[in-house]
Amino acid sequence: DVKVTQSSRYLVKRTGEKVFLECVQDMDHENMFWYRQDPGLGLRLIYFSYDVKMKEKGDIPEGYSVSREKKERFSLILESASTNQTSMYLCASSLGLREQFFGPGTRLTVL
Amino acid sequence: QKEVEQDPGPLSVPEGAIVSLNCTYSNSAFQYFMWNRQYSRKGPELLMYTYSSGNKEDGRFTAQVDKSSKYISLFIRDSQPSDSATYLCAMSSAGGTSYGKLTFGQGTILTVHP
Repeated sequence: DVKVTQSSRYLVKRTGEKVFLECVQDMDHENMFWYRQDPGLGLRLIYFSYDVKMKEKGDIPEGYSVSREKKERFSLILESASTNQTSMYLCASSLGLREQFFGPGTRLTVL
Repeated sequence: QKEVEQDPGPLSVPEGAIVSLNCTYSNSAFQYFMWNRQYSRKGPELLMYTYSSGNKEDGRFTAQVDKSSKYISLFIRDSQPSDSATYLCAMSSAGGTSYGKLTFGQGTILTVHP
């Protein structure tokens, strides 16, 4: 079974803090994705990566950056957290064009 | 206008009802169509996967794609309380630089009551 794990289920941070969200997958998938999920807006793609050290902007990259130094690990970074980044963050991985496997999500609250 | 539109509901039906969930889209390059189910406090998981137009059946679930109308549907027969979840449609174009990038609908919240 593919397993995608995320570093925290719940996180509370203060405005201006630097926030790291980490995602690890154990199936040697090439592609990894970071989404945020908000009521009424569905899942929106922040960034994705199709190989180590490669990254592509998604639909809403502003205020975020990513890092993929190893194939199994994809990190999302909020350089200076703001209250409008309070959301559910979901990581996913996939092999080619096949199904994406999601982690359980991190609910981030920025105060 | 969003690339993928999905009525967020909420939708409440009695156990045993037939449920119809729908999405419309505007990008004619989409060729892969998926339905994901998301239970409360969990990540989405793939329910049905269809390539191009046509129907696909899996147990109580049927997925339909009409590319000419840019319209996809998911039907649930004999709905059960365990089907209560958020259903998200998702779609992707083939190859190129998409790398499996999906565009999601907003999700429809479904409750099946006993």
